[in-house]
Amino acid sequence: DGGITQSPKYLFRKEGQNVTLSCEQNLNHDAMYWYRQDPGQGLRLIYYSQIVNDFQKGDIAEGYSVSREKKESFPLTVTSAQKNPTAFYLCASSLRGQGGEQFFGPGTRLTVL
Amino acid sequence: GENVEQHPSTLSVQEGDSAVIKCTYSDSASNYFPWYKQELGKRPQLIIDIRSNVGEKKDQRIAVTLNKTAKHFSLHITETQPEDSAVYFCAAPRSGSQGNLIFGKGTKLSVKP
Repeated sequence: DGGITQSPKYLFRKEGQNVTLSCEQNLNHDAMYWYRQDPGQGLRLIYYSQIVNDFQKGDIAEGYSVSREKKESFPLTVTSAQKNPTAFYLCASSLRGQGGEQFFGPGTRLTVL
Repeated sequence: GENVEQHPSTLSVQEGDSAVIKCTYSDSASNYFPWYKQELGKRPQLIIDIRSNVGEKKDQRIAVTLNKTAKHFSLHITETQPEDSAVYFCAAPRSGSQGNLIFGKGTKLSVKP
C-alpha cells in the first residue's frame, strides 16, 4: 500500500483549534486531492491541486485551507471555522489531465471533542 | 449541475448470487468511468474502469457495462463471495477539470454465506 501516505491515522481536536492533516506521495503525480467522507455521503471534494503552487476549491471548501509548496506534499488544515469537522479525510493523487485512476491514501479520522 | 446518481444504497445477496449496481451521470461528454471498492476502515481502491469507446469490460468475476445514450453504467459481480462485502463507489469526470472525478454516494454490498 505504499505510494501515498497520510498521518496521523486518528486525530482528536478540541473545538476552536486548527489542525493540519498530512498527505505525502512518491508516485510523481502532479495532481492531488482532498476528500471528506461521511456515512451515506460518498466522497466529497474539498480542494484539489493540479500543479505545484496552485490549487482550487472543491465542493465543500469552507472552513478548510491547503498549500502545495512541493509536488510530493498537499497538507490540509481544518480550521475552527469548519462547523462540523468530525469525519474521515482521504487524500488522493493522479497523473495530471489523464482522466484516469486516483490513488488514495489510508485516510485520517478526525474527531472533534 | 453535474451529478452522479448511484443505486441501490444497500444491497444484500446470498453467496454465489450476482450483484448489480447502477450509476447515471449528467455530462454527455464524460469519457471515463471507474469503480472503487472500499472495505471497512480502508482506502478506496480501483477495481475496474471503462472508457467511452467500449460498451463492456470484464475482469474475472467483475464486469462494467456502459450505455452512453442513456448515460448510465453498471457494475456486475458474479458468483459473489463474502470478501466482496464492501462499499462500492462509481465516479465520472468533472466537467472542465481534467483528472477530477465526481463520486456516487456508494453502495454497501453484503454477501451472506
